[in-house]
Amino acid sequence: TQLLEQSPQFLSIQEGENLTVYCNSSSVFSSLQWYRQEPGEGPVLLVTVVTGGEVKKLKRLTFQFGDARKDSSLHITAAQPGDTGLYLCAGVEPSGRNTPLVFGKGTRLSVIA
Amino acid sequence: DSGVTQTPKHLITATGQRVTLRCSPRSGDLSVYWYQQSLDQGLQFLIQYYNGEERAKGNILERFSAQQFPDLHSELNLSSLELGDSALYFCASSATGRPGNTIYFGEGSWLTVV
Repeated sequence: TQLLEQSPQFLSIQEGENLTVYCNSSSVFSSLQWYRQEPGEGPVLLVTVVTGGEVKKLKRLTFQFGDARKDSSLHITAAQPGDTGLYLCAGVEPSGRNTPLVFGKGTRLSVIA
Repeated sequence: DSGVTQTPKHLITATGQRVTLRCSPRSGDLSVYWYQQSLDQGLQFLIQYYNGEERAKGNILERFSAQQFPDLHSELNLSSLELGDSALYFCASSATGRPGNTIYFGEGSWLTVV
């Protein structure tokens, strides 16, 4: 099973600040997904990136897939308290392997008003 | 609301006991997944079913078993419970169960073993 390392593990920032969290692996994935999990709820899919170098934007969130498809980043601009949660990245292994998603341990973000 | 329903939401039980967690997938989804989430291990894949058949197996202990029934609901059975089994157990579902298919998580079942 391929591993995904997420950093930082914890992040506490003030409202209005920008931040970037990272998801890294030594292995190639056919795609990467980002989820947000709020307390008491299950993870919810935010985005899927498929092509190396791809950048996707979701309002104030910008997701990038590394050129080699081994890593990804999530940048949040002007963070708000509603962004608080656990951000998980999950990798889809290259086609031909029937293995479900591999999750990183997540970055726990706290945005203070 | 993801459409995936899990029961019970909270469960407290003693070591050595057995519990059953239940999951109803989203309407129309044929595949069900079970994940265990703990603070130190993160979200760990346990097992996947597709249309009643086991499709993939992850880090599931021998004390744990699961099945998917003809009506597509699934149950995860945890036996001979240990303190370390305390965790949040998620069920998720997807339409086809193929890698990369969007999966939808339920709200989880909190298990506390005392």
